[in-house]
Amino acid sequence: AQSVTQPDIHITVSEGASLELRCNYSYGATPYLFWYVQSPGQGLQLLLKYFSGDTLVQGIKGFEAEFKRSQSSFNLRKPSVHWSDAAEYFCAVALGAYDMRFGAGTRLTVKP
Amino acid sequence: EAGVAQSPRYKIIEKRQSVAFWCNPISGHATLYWYQQILGQGPKLLIQFQNNGVVDDSQLPKDRFSAERLKGVDSTLKIQPAKLEDSAVYLCASSLGPGLAPNYEQYFGPGTRLTVT
Repeated sequence: AQSVTQPDIHITVSEGASLELRCNYSYGATPYLFWYVQSPGQGLQLLLKYFSGDTLVQGIKGFEAEFKRSQSSFNLRKPSVHWSDAAEYFCAVALGAYDMRFGAGTRLTVKP
Repeated sequence: EAGVAQSPRYKIIEKRQSVAFWCNPISGHATLYWYQQILGQGPKLLIQFQNNGVVDDSQLPKDRFSAERLKGVDSTLKIQPAKLEDSAVYLCASSLGPGLAPNYEQYFGPGTRLTVT
């Protein structure tokens, strides 16, 4: 069955530390891949997306993600986390034009 | 540029009552989406409109949920009658065009938090 898995429900990192959020998918073919961020009381904001080409994708707010076909993964990274990065992060995949599916999300807490 | 507007932001109703949510997409966006986000889960697409026509409503519980997009701009999502399991945040999103082409990014509104008691 097609699925999107974010293995970590909650992650806590110290401000200034590096961050990696994991995302794995289970699809028959390479899907389109997305990362969204949701701050409390806000809608989702697109951080970055992968459609094809270079497997290392740069996004907004200093985030990047790497697509690894062999591992069916699309992990999100940031070298130095800021307190304002505390939020919920969602990985999403789409196979086809109208079939975007979201993971359950990872909540990020940033310690001072 | 104004973002996607939704109202109300919060709503509390009793089960078996009806409720309606309103969404105003970004000007010029032809495609509009309604998502349901249950606590602890990612958003799930309920229905997608292209202008005023339905593209995909395969996950909409049609026995109680309905949605319309008259004149291809604003949209309303209705639940009648509501059940306890309908408690969720209802997100509206819009994009320039259909599908997931690289330039068809979805922009999300702040959502309506529904509590059914």
